[in-house]
Amino acid sequence: DQQVKQNSPSLSVQEGRISILNCDYTNSMFDYFLWYKKYPAEGPTFLISISSIKDKNEDGRFTVFLNKSAKHLSLHIVPSQPGDSAVYFCAASDAGKSTFGDGTTLTVKP
Amino acid sequence: GAVVSQHPSWVICKSGTSVKIECRSLDFQATTMFWYRQFPKQSLMLMATSNEGSKATYEQGVEKDKFLINHASLTLSTLTVTSAHPEDSSFYICSARDLQGRGYTFGSGTRLTVV
Repeated sequence: DQQVKQNSPSLSVQEGRISILNCDYTNSMFDYFLWYKKYPAEGPTFLISISSIKDKNEDGRFTVFLNKSAKHLSLHIVPSQPGDSAVYFCAASDAGKSTFGDGTTLTVKP
Repeated sequence: GAVVSQHPSWVICKSGTSVKIECRSLDFQATTMFWYRQFPKQSLMLMATSNEGSKATYEQGVEKDKFLINHASLTLSTLTVTSAHPEDSSFYICSARDLQGRGYTFGSGTRLTVV
């Protein structure tokens, strides 16, 4: 049973527009949620996180929204830039151990 | 910021040999490190939690005798793939919690190819 799901394997947006990446989870014990960006053959790079006691966290162009009742979180990138093109993983943490979604490949077209 | 150094970045070995992968926290102490594995086009899968000075905790389905983890100091954890087989070919990544507690800093990963 996959506890963290990213149902969209890919997303393509135009430069300057908003990118919205979605993630759903099933385990209500998760207390911390994170988004990572990953380029091929490299380790993931931390982007932004949110505690389960919050519903929004913003850092520059990146905003993460958490809807606990729906067990859903999303990452908004605005405005999107070509350099944002990468694979984005959401992760949910329980006592420090992270479970990752399968990733969404974002392509930002100039 | 917190930096985790992972070596080697890639390695090719023959079946039956063992390969050691190192994960170092360069500017902070990490009592706990995590080892992940990623198959092509799949998510990162947690293999084990490495605890300094004690035995590692392995996830279900991960063979502890095959994937030996040693966390001998607060800045170094090693993963040894013993008697490697072609099906062990994968991308292995370590991580440690960063100083600010925002998230987990990852190493750059090791691409293992067993021929």
